[in-house]
Amino acid sequence: DAGVTQSPTHLIKTRGQQVTLRCSPKSGHDTVSWYQQALGQGPQFIFQYYEEEERQRGNFPDRFSGHQFPNYSSELNVNALLLGDSALYLCASSLGDSPEAFFGQGTRLTVV
Amino acid sequence: AQSVTQLGSHVSVSEGALVLLRCNYSSSVPPYLFWYVQYPNQGLQLLLKYTSAATLVKGINDFEAEFKKSETSFHLTKPSAHMSDAAEYFCAVSRYNFNKFYFGSGTKLNVKP
Repeated sequence: DAGVTQSPTHLIKTRGQQVTLRCSPKSGHDTVSWYQQALGQGPQFIFQYYEEEERQRGNFPDRFSGHQFPNYSSELNVNALLLGDSALYLCASSLGDSPEAFFGQGTRLTVV
Repeated sequence: AQSVTQLGSHVSVSEGALVLLRCNYSSSVPPYLFWYVQYPNQGLQLLLKYTSAATLVKGINDFEAEFKKSETSFHLTKPSAHMSDAAEYFCAVSRYNFNKFYFGSGTKLNVKP
């Protein structure tokens, strides 16, 4: 079992650009959540996808959007990048409403 | 509303000493509580979870935590620290049917030889 896999592992973008991050959930999991972890802080919830729809959303602007595919994999898109978007982006997968989530290794995004 | 407070952003212990990392939560409904560990440049690994069963929860690598409703606490302990325990630890709370986590700001554990 490969667990939760994220790609790419590292990414450098310029202010104003757009970025897409990808996540494959743990085998058998159908729910994907995305978190932003700024340096020195705990992860903050961005949004959650279930059955290809956004089910919950945290306090993030509309520049952050996502998608879930029929195979349960997911993408996180960020438009008009700001320096403050530099962070570790974590994907977590779970099964339905199970309280247990498994996290990927994250994608380190640096905006310059 | 839910939130988590971790007291002490940095904790330093000697190898073999007791580890105590503090977590207090606020939740309007009975919570689920978790401790995760994060090694440098890695994701989060689940150490243990409380989901309304036994209040004393045992996790991996001899870590355990006790849910104390009266104190709204879920402190993490380990009887004897090992060098490999040096990492950052996050306490998190969620609610049933919402599996959305609220994380504390983390505690970095340093283990001295």
